[in-house]
This record gives sequence, structure tokens and C-alpha cells, in this order.
Amino acid sequence: DAKTTQPNSMESNEEEPVHLPCNHSTISGTDYIHWYRQLPSQGPEYVIHGLTSNVNNRMASLAIAEDRKSSTLILHRATLRDAAVYYCILRDNYGQNFVFGPGTRLSVLP
Amino acid sequence: DTAVSQTPKYLVTQMGNDKSIKCEQNLGHDTMYWYKQDSKKFLKIMFSYNNKELIINETVPNRFSPKSPDKAHLNLHINSLELGDSAVYFCASSSTWTGDYGYTFGSGTRLTVV
Repeated sequence: DAKTTQPNSMESNEEEPVHLPCNHSTISGTDYIHWYRQLPSQGPEYVIHGLTSNVNNRMASLAIAEDRKSSTLILHRATLRDAAVYYCILRDNYGQNFVFGPGTRLSVLP
Repeated sequence: DTAVSQTPKYLVTQMGNDKSIKCEQNLGHDTMYWYKQDSKKFLKIMFSYNNKELIINETVPNRFSPKSPDKAHLNLHINSLELGDSAVYFCASSSTWTGDYGYTFGSGTRLTVV
């Protein structure tokens, strides 16, 4: 399984942008980069995913490095509700299950 | 309407007992999963079912037995509960077995074995 590396924790101030990094130097050509987050006492929820191009949706943006060895999840304006553990996961589309690492615990300060 | 619902939300039981956790999804998805999140917060896949058929069975003690009566339900039965089974169990579903469009998770069942 291709592995990802994320910082254990990050802090942000409310209403400021947050950039959550993820390193995946052993990514293969067919691996998609997925981001999930887990709010306290809830199950993980899908945030965004991409293959090569940057992606935007209503929740976040995903910036993927040209060599695909790293990516960054961008929350444009952090709110208190964004405090969660964020997981960066590599997965191809051949039926692999999602393998969750320890993720990054994001704290948002008012 | 909750997309993926699990019952019960909390379960406290004694060692040696047998218990079940139920999961239902109303998304029309073909594939369902059970994940376990231990005290260190790591989420690990246990089982996945596609259209009522088992497709993934990770290294899980055979005291754990999933049952899928139809593709909208995936229940988890646990025999002879042990202290180490204490964890949060999450059910999830995806529209296809490849999970191309992501997983939808339930809110979890916190199992405490005393």
C-alpha cells in the first residue's frame, strides 16, 4: 500500500485559510488522493479527491504537486466546525479499501 | 433521513457475552463495510460486502461474523466478547465495490466490554 505522511496536529485561527499538507512520495500512477475528515464523535466524512489536477468543491480545494508526491488540502476560511482529524489517503480504483492513517488533528481557535 | 444508520449508538456489556450491531443504509449503495477504530484512533477495515456477498475479510477473529440479509443491511455479530473488543465500530457504504465516489460512514457504535 502506498503510504502518506501528515503532521500530527495543526492550529488555525477562525476565518483564516488553512493548508493541510500530505506527503506521498511512493504514489503510483493510478492512485487517487482522497481526503476525509472526522469530527468529534462522528464517522469520517468525504471532503475531496483528485488524481492530477487541482480540485475545488464547496468544502475545500485540493492542490496536487506536479510530480504528485505531495498535496495540500486548503480550507479557505476555517470555522470552529472545521476542527477535526483530517485524513489523506491514497487509493486506486481497483477495489482497494480505504486505509486510514493517524491523520492531522486540526484545532481552530476563536 | 440518516443515510447510514447504526444501532445501538452505545453498547456496554460483560466479557463473554454475544452482541450484535446493526447497520442500514438508504442510499441504494451496493457495497457496505465495517471499520473498527481503537483507542489510538486508528480506523481499520474489518469486512466489506458487495450485493450481500463478502468480498473483503481482513484479519479479524472468527468471533466476528458479519451478516447481510439484503444489500441495504450489514449487521455485525460478535461472540464471546473480550476486553480488547472495546472500540468504536463504524459502518460505511459506497455506491460501487470500487468505492470510486467515496464512502458514507455512519456515526459509530461505541462498544465497551467490562
